[in-house]
Amino acid sequence: DAKTTQPPSMDCAEGRAANLPCNHSTISGNEYVYWYRQIHSQGPQYIIHGLKNNETNEMASLIITEDRKSSTLILPHATLRDTAVYYCIVRVIQGGKLIFGQGTELSVKP
Amino acid sequence: AAGVIQSPRHLIKEKRETATLKCYPIPRHDTVYWYQQGPGQDPQFLISFYEKMQSDKGSIPDRFSAQQFSDYHSELNMSSLELGDSALYFCASREGAGEKLFFGSGTQLSVL
Repeated sequence: DAKTTQPPSMDCAEGRAANLPCNHSTISGNEYVYWYRQIHSQGPQYIIHGLKNNETNEMASLIITEDRKSSTLILPHATLRDTAVYYCIVRVIQGGKLIFGQGTELSVKP
Repeated sequence: AAGVIQSPRHLIKEKRETATLKCYPIPRHDTVYWYQQGPGQDPQFLISFYEKMQSDKGSIPDRFSAQQFSDYHSELNMSSLELGDSALYFCASREGAGEKLFFGSGTQLSVL
């Protein structure tokens, strides 16, 4: 599975959009981009995933660049409860396990 | 909706003791994954099972063993516990060729 690079930490004001970047320059054609988050000491929670098209669900939007070498997770209206570590993971769609690297610790501040 | 159930929620053991952690996957999920997360660390994959057979193996110590039973629940057995085994242990499950893993709330193991 391709390696990802994320900033170690970010701050966001409550009510504003949080844009979390992820670089995955060695991604293969059959690898998807997954985002999970972990709120303090809880189990990781699935957010969204995509291959090459932008995706949106009730939690977030995922923007993948045309060359697929980077992506951005967007939380449109961040709340204090969105404070968590966000993991960008690249793997094939049925690739089994998730490999967690260093994620981004997002702090949403009032 | 039913989620992944892990028990116990907290476990305190002494060095050299044994521990058994249990995981009950979401109904109809046939694949189970175990992860270990030390203090301030990212979750590390230990082992996984599909249809009661080991499907993948990560950095699981030889002192640990695991299995998946006919009802698809899984148990992680840990022997000769060491202080460094103190961690959060997560179980996750997946249905067949499903795209997502669903995680339980974890078992906090403290070795004294």
